[in-house]
Amino acid sequence: EVQLLESGGGLVQPGGSLRLSCAASGFTFSTYGMNWVRQAPGKGLEWVSGIYGGGVSTYYADSVKGRFTISRDNSKNTVSLQMNSLRAEDTAVYFCAKDAYSSASFVDYWGQGTLVTVSS
Amino acid sequence: DIQMTQSPSTLSASVGDRVTITCRASQSISNWLAWYQQKPGKAPKVLIYKASSLEGGVPSRFSGSGSGTEFTLTISSLQPDDFATYYCQQYNSYPYTFGQGTKLEIK
Repeated sequence: EVQLLESGGGLVQPGGSLRLSCAASGFTFSTYGMNWVRQAPGKGLEWVSGIYGGGVSTYYADSVKGRFTISRDNSKNTVSLQMNSLRAEDTAVYFCAKDAYSSASFVDYWGQGTLVTVSS
Repeated sequence: DIQMTQSPSTLSASVGDRVTITCRASQSISNWLAWYQQKPGKAPKVLIYKASSLEGGVPSRFSGSGSGTEFTLTISSLQPDDFATYYCQQYNSYPYTFGQGTKLEIK
């Protein structure tokens, strides 16, 4: 059974940093692309970042480019999102999401999400 | 970036109704489009991928069609469990983008 468990969310001040992690199990982790998708309170889904199975290719939404960094550790089956220079508009539930294929793909499994609140 | 526009934003319907949601892409995405269903407080769930392929375990009352820039999600006969918010997503090119969502409400 595929499981994705996010951690690391919490309250942070504007300009601060936070690192989200996602522990994956139930599939051959290194084979699949992984993503972070967020949802601000009462709003729609926003794709944030993606990384291919090998970890070399990474992609970002314009809204986070230069501030967020996605990475993965295939030896530990984890994907992380380092978030710097956080803004109030980054407040959202952040979902870890698995690609159905090894590269550009739709999402077939989602974590339950971790809440990030950026506020003073 | 490719913009995805869904319509309507809200849809009121009754159990047994046939409903259609439309998604338009700002440029051609071939058939690299997925549809997701999301219920309050839950993660999304994929229904349709590659514009018209039904994900395993999804009821056959859900169907998708379209290619290029115009896509539709159809629910042939609404069931009580179908009242939720639906999103389209293009995965033709990065950055991936979602439509703004369509909330399906009980009339």
